[in-house]
Amino acid sequence: QKEVEQDPGPLSVPEGAIVSLNCTYSNSAFQYFMWYRQYSRKGPELLMYTYSSGNKEDGRFTAQVDKSSKYISLFIRDSQPSDSATYLCAMVRDSGNTPLVFGKGTRLSVIA
Amino acid sequence: EPEVTQTPSHQVTQMGQEVILRCVPISNHLYFYWYRQILGQKVEFLVSFYNNEISEKSEIFDDQFSVERPDGSNFTLKIRSTKLEDSAMYFCASRTDRGSYNEQFFGPGTRLTVL
Repeated sequence: QKEVEQDPGPLSVPEGAIVSLNCTYSNSAFQYFMWYRQYSRKGPELLMYTYSSGNKEDGRFTAQVDKSSKYISLFIRDSQPSDSATYLCAMVRDSGNTPLVFGKGTRLSVIA
Repeated sequence: EPEVTQTPSHQVTQMGQEVILRCVPISNHLYFYWYRQILGQKVEFLVSFYNNEISEKSEIFDDQFSVERPDGSNFTLKIRSTKLEDSAMYFCASRTDRGSYNEQFFGPGTRLTVL
């Protein structure tokens, strides 16, 4: 079983739609869960991170973590064409010097 | 706003040649990383570096790879004898050493093409 699984899409939605992006993982040692956004030919940029289970909201973005199901989600409300990008989930075991483990990324297109 | 920079943006090389990819991390950061992303694949960890030595490395980071912080500002990744399968985007990242979780800031990447 792969450590982090993410549906690569592509996902195409109309402007204003609610977008749901998801990842599953197998390693119960993961404690920090991140969502990165990557525009074409750019490096990943951190959108949000969550420690352990629960929800976190930042503007139009909400991150959810369900550690019992090993499932994380990112919701984007009122999606905009500028949200068109690849969204990568990433996880790490602790806050120390440990590497990020990424999902494959979901390519999102928001159509005006 | 401070950012991680990488040069070159695109490097084309012949199989068997040595390449050096360069990164300038954010100036007060202490941890440095190299990741790579083969086209259509996941971003994969290669190596982490702290206090002038390798902290952790993945299975990908074999004897053909080496890292160096030659002058206190640059952080380099050297591939001694490139293979076709080394073709990928290579991302440098850095982070501080403060508080709890610290964000890894990524550079824009170097696209390496091995012919």
